[in-house]
Amino acid sequence: DVKVTQSSRYLVKRTGEKVFLECVQDMDHENMFWYRQDPGLGLRLIYFSYDVKMKEKGDIPEGYSVSREKKERFSLILESASTNQTSMYLCASSSSGGHVEKLFFGSGTQLSVL
Amino acid sequence: RKEVEQDPGPFNVPEGATVAFNCTYSNSASQSFFWYRQDCRKEPKLLMSVYSSGNEDGRFTAQLNRASQYISLLIRDSKLSDSATYLCVVNRNFNKFYFGSGTKLNVKP
Repeated sequence: DVKVTQSSRYLVKRTGEKVFLECVQDMDHENMFWYRQDPGLGLRLIYFSYDVKMKEKGDIPEGYSVSREKKERFSLILESASTNQTSMYLCASSSSGGHVEKLFFGSGTQLSVL
Repeated sequence: RKEVEQDPGPFNVPEGATVAFNCTYSNSASQSFFWYRQDCRKEPKLLMSVYSSGNEDGRFTAQLNRASQYISLLIRDSKLSDSATYLCVVNRNFNKFYFGSGTKLNVKP
């Protein structure tokens, strides 16, 4: 089974702090994604990466950056956390090969910014 | 217009009932279709892919209508454990996934 692991299940940070969310997948997937999920807004794509050191902005990249130095790891960085970044953050991965590309999610990080 | 639209519900049904959800998508170039299940405060998990010919997995049946651009999910003999939010997900190109906002199902004893 594909395993996508997020480093923290719950995080509490203060406004202005730099926050790192880590995600590791073990299935050699090319594509990795960061989403945030908020009530009433559904899942929104922040950034995705289709290869090592490659990244593309999603729908809501403002206030975030990402890093993909190794194929299995995709990090989301909040340079200066703000209260409106309080959310559930979900990492996902998918393969580029095969007939039907499925997304596999990590268990999520509930981030609270105070 | 949203890429993927779903009725948010909630659908409140008794155990043993049959319930159906629909989802519509706006872009005819969409290629792959999925239903995900999400429990409260948990990650979405793949329930089933949806194929043009329709497919079944136990009590769950998924259908795709490309002409009308909608996807359906039918759950027969509902169980209490089916209570969750069901997300319709559409894929266009290898890295473009579009999510519906989810349909909430409550199965009651």
